[in-house]
Amino acid sequence: EVQLMESGGGLVKPGGSLRLSCAASGFTFSSYNMNWIRQAPGKGLEWVSSISSDTTYIYYADSMKGRFTISRDNAKNSLYLQMNSLRAEDTAVYYCVRDSYTSLAVFDYWGQGTLVTVSS
Amino acid sequence: EIVLTQSPATLSLSPGERATLSCRASQSISSYLAWYQQKPGQAPRLLIYDASNRATGIPARFSGSGSGTDFTLAISSLEPEDFAVYFCQHRANWPPLTFGGGTKVEIK
Repeated sequence: EVQLMESGGGLVKPGGSLRLSCAASGFTFSSYNMNWIRQAPGKGLEWVSSISSDTTYIYYADSMKGRFTISRDNAKNSLYLQMNSLRAEDTAVYYCVRDSYTSLAVFDYWGQGTLVTVSS
Repeated sequence: EIVLTQSPATLSLSPGERATLSCRASQSISSYLAWYQQKPGQAPRLLIYDASNRATGIPARFSGSGSGTDFTLAISSLEPEDFAVYFCQHRANWPPLTFGGGTKVEIK
């Protein structure tokens, strides 16, 4: 069974940093592209970042460029999101999301999410 | 950036009725559109990809159609568990990837 388990969320002050982790199991992690997608409370879905299976490509949404860094450790079956210079508008549930093996940027499995709250 | 506009924002229907949800893209995205269902307190679930392909385990009452800029998600006969929020998402000419604002299907 595919499982994606996020951790690392919490309350942080504006300008602070946080590192999210996602532990993957039930599939060959190193073969799949991975993503972070977020959802502000009561709002819609917003794509944050994507990383290919072998880190050949890494993409970010414009509002996260220069502040967020996505990475992965295929030996540890883990995905990460380093978030710096956090703003109130970054408050959201952050989902770790797997790409479909056959279709790039089709999101076939989602974790349950971790809540990040940016507030003083 | 490709903007996806979903309509209506809210759809009030009774169980057993047919639901028709719309997603319009600001430019042609061929058939590169997916639909997701999200229930309160849960993560989204993939329903349809590439406009008309049902994801694994998705019941046949869900169907997708369209190409270019206009897409439709249909639920042939609403079951109680289908009342949820539905999002569309494109994967053409990215980054960025974008989602529509969502349609809430609520019980009338």
